[in-house]
Amino acid sequence: DTGVSQDPRHKITKRGQNVTFRCDPISEHNRLYWYRQTLGQGPEFLTYFQNEAQLEKSRLLSDRFSAERPKGSFSTLEIQRTEQGDSAMYLCASSPRDANYGYTFGSGTRLTVV
Amino acid sequence: AQSVTQPDIHITVSEGASLELRCNYSYGATPYLFWYVQSPGQGLQLLLKYFSGDTLVQGIKGFEAEFKRSQSSFNLRKPSVHWSDAAEYFCAVAPYGQNFVFGPGTRLSVLP
Repeated sequence: DTGVSQDPRHKITKRGQNVTFRCDPISEHNRLYWYRQTLGQGPEFLTYFQNEAQLEKSRLLSDRFSAERPKGSFSTLEIQRTEQGDSAMYLCASSPRDANYGYTFGSGTRLTVV
Repeated sequence: AQSVTQPDIHITVSEGASLELRCNYSYGATPYLFWYVQSPGQGLQLLLKYFSGDTLVQGIKGFEAEFKRSQSSFNLRKPSVHWSDAAEYFCAVAPYGQNFVFGPGTRLSVLP
């Protein structure tokens, strides 16, 4: 299967802990996106990469959020000092060079902060 | 402000009935338009997309959508709903060169 993979599927953490999620995009896609989805809402854009370059990060929710894509392949999203409000589904998507042909989404990582 | 609205939070239809899910957008120019479906606990799957040309587009699973520029709408339709269509449906727009913006979603329930 050459879809978008996200790991872990579920993460429960205590408030104040740091968490890191991983996304492996479709191999021939050079764009990678992170979205957050809270219950009953549509996905909310966080950041995206073209190859290893992070081209948009102003939508990251706070300076506790950071993302990397060091070799232009997989990406990680880290949340430091988690808060209960960070509980959400974190979705990763990838696309070919031209994103307007549509994203392919992974199944997401569901984060619960207790 | 740029926005995408889906006026219906939740729709219930009987199996075999027709379906129309509404989507309206507010942008200066016609963006690229998409419909995605999300089953519980899953990621989003692309149903169809519109860039230009014929305003009626066909997608997967028997869905179609019609772009109406005068109404800034991109409504999703299906002539006969199946129980497996129960899911959350999201309209999304991509202003040229920018990232996707999603609507809040419409939850579809299907009665047997």
